[in-house]
Amino acid sequence: EVQLVESGGGLVQPGRSLKLSCAASGFTFSNYGMAWVRQTPTKGLEWVASISTGGGNTYYRDSVKGRFTISRDNAKNTQYLQMDSLRSEDTATYYCARLRYGGYRDYYFDYWGQGVMVTVSS
Amino acid sequence: EIVLTQSPTTMAASPGEKVTITCHASSSVSYMHWYQQKPGASPKPWIYATSTLASGVPDRFSGSGSGTSYSLTINNVEAEDAATYYCQQWNYPYTFGAGTKLELK
Repeated sequence: EVQLVESGGGLVQPGRSLKLSCAASGFTFSNYGMAWVRQTPTKGLEWVASISTGGGNTYYRDSVKGRFTISRDNAKNTQYLQMDSLRSEDTATYYCARLRYGGYRDYYFDYWGQGVMVTVSS
Repeated sequence: EIVLTQSPTTMAASPGEKVTITCHASSSVSYMHWYQQKPGASPKPWIYATSTLASGVPDRFSGSGSGTSYSLTINNVEAEDAATYYCQQWNYPYTFGAGTKLELK
């Protein structure tokens, strides 16, 4: 059974840092691209970042570029999201998601974790 | 950025009715993917590559479309289908629609 378990969320002051982890099991982690998606009541679902199977290629939405870093450790079956210079608008539930090929050069999120809450507030 | 506009935003249907949710993309996309989310739960893949049902999805669901116009249809809607449905496209930056909340009468 595929499982994605996020951890590391919490309350943090603006400008500070937080690191999320996502422990994967039930599949060959190194064979899949991975991603982080966040959700808020006002903005809905937003893709945040993605990483290739080996970690050599990373992609970010503009609003987090230069502040967030996605990474993975295939030996530990874990992906990470290092979030620096946090802003109030980063407050959201963050989901770890697995990428699956969904068509020519097209992917979708086929497994999601339970989500972890990040609150940025003073 | 490709903006996905879903309609309606909310809708109510009676069991047995046919329901159609549409997703309009601001630019042409090759495929559309759909997710179902119930309160307090994570999104679940529901339809991928425009028309392929994810594992375990009842065959009363179907997806279609091309270019900028896509839809998710439920034939003979059932109480368990009450949820919010989101469309998603894979052109950087990858985006989701705002969701369609389906309620059962």
